Amino acid sequence: AQSVTQLDSQVPVFEEAPVELRCNYSSSVSVYLFWYVQYPNQGLQLLLKYLSGSTLVESINGFEAEFNKSQTSFHLRKPSVHISDTAEYFCAVFGRTGNQFYFGTGTSLTVIP
Amino acid sequence: DTAVSQTPKYLVTQMGNDKSIKCEQNLGHDTMYWYKQDSKKFLKIMFSYNNKELIINETVPNRFSPKSPDKAHLNLHINSLELGDSAVYFCASSHVTGGTGELFFGEGSRLTVL
Repeated sequence: AQSVTQLDSQVPVFEEAPVELRCNYSSSVSVYLFWYVQYPNQGLQLLLKYLSGSTLVESINGFEAEFNKSQTSFHLRKPSVHISDTAEYFCAVFGRTGNQFYFGTGTSLTVIP
Repeated sequence: DTAVSQTPKYLVTQMGNDKSIKCEQNLGHDTMYWYKQDSKKFLKIMFSYNNKELIINETVPNRFSPKSPDKAHLNLHINSLELGDSAVYFCASSHVTGGTGELFFGEGSRLTVL
């Protein structure tokens, strides 16, 4: 089985400041890793994913995440946030031999003008 | 063309009533899911169907009954609604067998039980 821990439930940050949303996972098998974003009153959208290859993956809106196998982490970063980044962010894992997603409890990112 | 669509988007109903939420995906995925998101934004998986067969059935009251008439549809029927059922219910689909399992979500159905 797998599990996901998002260490911060709420992260307030000023506009144009950098941000890191932390995610750690545990798994006995190889995993695929995902970050989903949920804007207010909307569904979840895929932000970025790690399947294989380069451990650094990027999204189209400036977020990036790095897969660290030794630390079993997949932290999400952005060097300069915008007001429009205010949302709930979910880290998730999918075991390559399983059939279930495991979500973290979410991190609420609030960008302050 | 919406990939995962669920209806209705909003339901407001009285305790004790029965309601259904419908979900359809046009992605050709083999697996569909129902998730419940509570007021704290926690996502809890309720059910999962793979090729019309129930494969995940978490601890959910038996008032909740999923039905999958075919691979592209997964409906959720709820009997005798209770106040605690108020939440946002998300349908999702993915390609599990030979795929990455990446989930595609519908926009959610907000259920309010009065």
